[in-house]
Amino acid sequence: DTAVSQTPKYLVTQMGNDKSIKCEQNLGHDTMYWYKQDSKKFLKIMFSYNNKELIINETVPNRFSPKSPDKAHLNLHINSLELGDSAVYFCASSQTGGYGYTFGSGTRLTVV
Amino acid sequence: GIQVEQSPPDLILQEGANSTLRCNFSDSVNNLQWFHQNPWGQLINLFYIPSGTKQNGRLSATTVATERYSLLYISSSQTTDSGVYFCAVTYSGGGADGLTFGKGTHLIIQP
Repeated sequence: DTAVSQTPKYLVTQMGNDKSIKCEQNLGHDTMYWYKQDSKKFLKIMFSYNNKELIINETVPNRFSPKSPDKAHLNLHINSLELGDSAVYFCASSQTGGYGYTFGSGTRLTVV
Repeated sequence: GIQVEQSPPDLILQEGANSTLRCNFSDSVNNLQWFHQNPWGQLINLFYIPSGTKQNGRLSATTVATERYSLLYISSSQTTDSGVYFCAVTYSGGGADGLTFGKGTHLIIQP
């Protein structure tokens, strides 16, 4: 059983489209996250979310929105995709305090 | 925000060699973690180490929080150790448990 699973693994789409990436964790963790890894491998937090609080990195465009139907899922919706959104997006989860941090395998998004 | 600096940025070693990777951070941290990103892109949690020393097989890590640095030691390197090693921290004033990452050390182990 994959601990943190995200789909799809690859996503190629045209500029202006809207897309979603799904993430599920079966670890019973309290907090889930989305990270963006750029072409230089730099990893940056986009959102952290638990059942009490959503924290948004102020540099993230409002075209990006996390949606959590329940504690085990945190999906990422992206509206009006731009070329600069091309990157690898990682979902992760952890216990409160950051213990047990576990990443999904990533979604490579290419905007053409 | 906090600055996380890793050195060296690149390291090429022969199989069997030992290495030390360094992570400096500019402010007090709540926790510090080391990750390995393998050549297939998977991020693997190596250590949760806000202070002290931990060992796991050929890998060990030490964090000296008062001096704001952490070290990752890899002994008897194997080709499977290749990849990028990231140091990441959380700190007061950061977003909950969201990690701030360094730029990584790209390690290549040659057979």
